[in-house]
Order: sequence, then C-alpha cells, then structure tokens
Amino acid sequence: GIQVEQSPPDLILQEGANSTLRCNFSDSVNNLQWFHQNPWGQLINLFYIPSGTKQNGRLSATTVATERYSLLYISSSQTTDSGVYFCAGNSGGSNYKLTFGKGTLLTVNP
Amino acid sequence: KAGVTQTPRYLIKTRGQQVTLSCSPISGHRSVSWYQQTPGQGLQFLFEYFSETQRNKGNFPGRFSGRQFSNSRSEMNVSTLELGDSALYLCASSLKGFDGYTFGSGTRLTVV
Repeated sequence: GIQVEQSPPDLILQEGANSTLRCNFSDSVNNLQWFHQNPWGQLINLFYIPSGTKQNGRLSATTVATERYSLLYISSSQTTDSGVYFCAGNSGGSNYKLTFGKGTLLTVNP
Repeated sequence: KAGVTQTPRYLIKTRGQQVTLSCSPISGHRSVSWYQQTPGQGLQFLFEYFSETQRNKGNFPGRFSGRQFSNSRSEMNVSTLELGDSALYLCASSLKGFDGYTFGSGTRLTVV
C-alpha cells in the first residue's frame, strides 16, 4: 500500500503567524483529505482535495497528484488551530482504505 | 443535519471480555469505515462497509469483526479483549466510501 509522510512532525507558532504543512505520498494517490484532530480527539474533515486548490477561510490546500504531494496552508493562526493535522489518501480503484500519515502536531501560543 | 454518532463514548472492559461499538452514519451515507487510533500505531484501518457488504478489511486479527445493517448503522465487535486493544475507535461515514469522510467523536476503550 501507499506510504504517507507528513512534515514537520511538530510545529510551534505564535498567534497570527502563517504555516505550511506538507504531505508526501509514496505512490499515486486518490481521494486525498486533510483532517484536524482537536484535543478531545474529534477528527474534523478540512478538505477533500484529490487535486487542485481549495480555500476555506484562513485555510487552503493544494494537491499536486502527479508529483505525489499536498500542502495545507494556515494563515493568521489562532490558538484554536492547535491540534494534530492529518492527511490521508488511498490508491483508488476498489481500495476504500484511507492511509493516514503520522500527523503534524501544531501548537499555537497566544 | 446530524453528524456521525458513536456509542458509547467511553468503555472500560476486562481482559477476555468482548465489546460491541455502534456507529450511526450521516443520513444518506451508505459507507461506514472503522479506524483504531493508538499513540504508537496512529490511525489504522479496520474495515469498510457499503450497503451491508464489507468491501475492505485491514490487518487485524479475526477477533475484530463488524457488520452493517440495512439502515447503514454499523457495529464492530472485539472478542477476547487484550490490553493492546485499548484505543480510540473511530468510525467515519461517506456517501460512496472514497469521498469526503465525516468522523464520529469516537469510543475510547480501556482494557484492564
């Protein structure tokens, strides 16, 4: 199956700073998604982004499927952005298993 | 619309017992997937169901099983619990199984 590598593993920011999280895949990926897990364990879907660029408020994501990577941009970070960010994808076809990366732990300090 | 509902939220069981977890997907979603999350292994895929059929299964022992009902609600069962089964169990629903997932709040299982 595909391997998912996320970087950086940890990130500490001051409120108001911008950041870029990266997700690399070992093989061609389909159905790429970004999630945010809050301190209570709830996983929130941020983007379903198999290709191209999407924006939602202060967050945006870009997937370049041909080069097997995706980026998540967080602008003007807030303390509520703290948590773990995961990317996940699958190889498509009849494979419905999403493979997750190990995540990026983001801490935004006031 | 209502989100994905998982019950119970917390569970403490003794080694050797069995447990059943429940997941009600978003109305209209026919795919339900289950994941186990532990600090050491991260998020690992258990299985995926669509219209009562298991389409994919992860690399877990046969003690882990699941099913989906005609109303798309799903249950997973773990028999002969081991300490290593302590984890956060998450289910996710989607329309077709490969589109955007919505996760439930999870069931935190502790085996003592």
